[in-house]
Amino acid sequence: AQSVTQLDSQVPVFEEAPVELRCNYSSSVSVYLFWYVQYPNQGLQLLLKYLSGSTLVKGINGFEAEFNKSQTSFHLRKPSVHISDTAEYFCAVIWDTGFQKLVFGTGTRLLVSP
Amino acid sequence: DTGVSQNPRHKITKRGQNVTFRCDPISEHNRLYWYRQTLGQGPEFLTYFQNEAQLEKSRLLSDRFSAERPKGSFSTLEIQRTEQGDSAMYLCASSAGRHPTDTQYFGPGTRLTVL
Repeated sequence: AQSVTQLDSQVPVFEEAPVELRCNYSSSVSVYLFWYVQYPNQGLQLLLKYLSGSTLVKGINGFEAEFNKSQTSFHLRKPSVHISDTAEYFCAVIWDTGFQKLVFGTGTRLLVSP
Repeated sequence: DTGVSQNPRHKITKRGQNVTFRCDPISEHNRLYWYRQTLGQGPEFLTYFQNEAQLEKSRLLSDRFSAERPKGSFSTLEIQRTEQGDSAMYLCASSAGRHPTDTQYFGPGTRLTVL
């Protein structure tokens, strides 16, 4: 079955510290990978996506993610977080088979404190 | 602001009542998606339109749910005979292209509470 796993429901971190949010997915076919961020009372916003090519993808707000096919992972990283990065982060996958739709993980809440 | 808008933002209804939500996509976006998000979960795909044609429906979408997109612009999602299990955030998204990997732009959602 197609699944997206975000094992960390919440990640607390201090301001200016680095952070990594983990995402793993089931894979038997090619995939397209996405990270979205959801701020309170706002719609989801695309941070970055991997479709093909370089496995290191850079996105908005200083975030980046690396596609690791052997590990079936697409972890999101930022070298130095700000208070304003406090939000819910969702990993999403499209499997390149049948009807292609975004399948989201359960999300990780990033809590940045001073 | 030319983003995706959804109305109402909040809806409280009693079990058994019908409700209708509206989504206005970004102008000239030809794909429109509906998702449902429950507490502690990520959004789940419900259905999508390519212009005015509804091309795919999730098995999550029971026969009490119906969606339309007349003229390929705004869309409505109606839930008939609401149940408490329908309580959720209903999200709308639109995209400009014809491929599912084209960036989807999400609205703020309509939060439904069924009493």
